[in-house]
Amino acid sequence: GGIITQTPKFLIGQEGQKLTLKCQQNFNHDTMYWYRQDSGKGLRLIYYSITENDLQKGDLSEGYDASREKKSSFSLTVTSAQKNEMAVFLCASSTGNERLFFGHGTKLSVL
Amino acid sequence: AQSVTQPDARVTVSEGASLQLRCKYSSSGTPYLFWYVQYPRQGLQLLLKYYSGDPVVQGVNGFEAEFSKSNSSFHLRKASVHWSDSAVYFCVLSLTGNTGKLIFGLGTTLQVQP
Repeated sequence: GGIITQTPKFLIGQEGQKLTLKCQQNFNHDTMYWYRQDSGKGLRLIYYSITENDLQKGDLSEGYDASREKKSSFSLTVTSAQKNEMAVFLCASSTGNERLFFGHGTKLSVL
Repeated sequence: AQSVTQPDARVTVSEGASLQLRCKYSSSGTPYLFWYVQYPRQGLQLLLKYYSGDPVVQGVNGFEAEFSKSNSSFHLRKASVHWSDSAVYFCVLSLTGNTGKLIFGLGTTLQVQP
């Protein structure tokens, strides 16, 4: 079996700060995703990537950048953290058959 | 427009009781439907999926779901719940072949009381 590792588990930032979240997978999956999970709002897609160096915007891409320099890793950058922002960012990967494997998440708090 | 509605934000049942979590979807094309579960402090995991064929699909841990095209529904069921089933359950819609464009419902938090 494989695993998806997200780092860090917890991230505390300051308003206006640029923050980077990392995700590694050893499934050898082609497609990777970043979702944002807010309480009461379900999961919303920020970015996804179908192969190395590919990036596709999701519904919530504004305010974020992403990078897929290797097949196994997919990073997400919050370009300017918003005050009092609190959310969980979930990374996932798949072979493209719609079954997603998720990481445990990075919990972001902005002071 | 495509959408998924889980009308119950929270459901509480007693251990050993039967369970139904409701899901309604709206889709202009052929839907692929999934139920994912998020246990406390764990990542989301796939419970079951429906692509076509038999409208009743079996999943892990005794869960099943029934697809109804006429009702645009994909309700999740379990005959007898256990305390360990306490989690958040998400109904998810995917359009055929459109990887990445999964539409999540808001989730239903299930609390199983001893």
